[in-house]
Amino acid sequence: GIQVEQSPPDLILQEGANSTLRCNFSDSVNNLQWFHQNPWGQLINLFYIPSGTKQNGRLSATTVATERYSLLYISSSQTTDSGVYFCAVEDDYKLSFGAGTTVTVRA
Amino acid sequence: GAVVSQHPSWVICKSGTSVKIECRSLDFQATTMFWYRQFPKQSLMLMATSNEGSKATYEQGVEKDKFLINHASLTLSTLTVTSAHPEDSSFYICSARDRMNTEAFFGQGTRLTVV
Repeated sequence: GIQVEQSPPDLILQEGANSTLRCNFSDSVNNLQWFHQNPWGQLINLFYIPSGTKQNGRLSATTVATERYSLLYISSSQTTDSGVYFCAVEDDYKLSFGAGTTVTVRA
Repeated sequence: GAVVSQHPSWVICKSGTSVKIECRSLDFQATTMFWYRQFPKQSLMLMATSNEGSKATYEQGVEKDKFLINHASLTLSTLTVTSAHPEDSSFYICSARDRMNTEAFFGQGTRLTVV
């Protein structure tokens, strides 16, 4: 199956800082999604982005499918951005998840 | 987006009993749903693919007789953990694709504790 690697594993930010999370995958994919898992475990959809660039408020994402990576940008981080961010890619119609990046934003 | 609802949010059961978890697609029909399991501080691992009107497809290493999946309608899939043991304690999450069969949406998850 497709291997999905996320970096860094942990990220500590001061409120207001910007950050970049990375997702590398080992084969071409039809689907790539970014999620934020809140403290209660709910997975919140951030982006459906098999290729190209999208923006939603302070978050944006870019996927370069030919080079097999995706980036998630968080700008002007807030304490509510804390949590685990997962990248997931479609592998034979199923989603394979990376290990996640745990983001902690300090006031 | 699509709405996927999971019930219950949490459950505590005694060792040896069975627990049923429901996953519903509220505003769309889902011929396929997916069941994941997540241990603390770990990622989501796919357990099985639930197919409406047919048998589920289980991932390698997942016991079919322990985790019974029934997808009896286009909006409901159930996962039954049979003869639960403490090692089955985990966070179980279901998902379904939207109407365009592209983006995946997830239920709220069920935290199972077996005592």
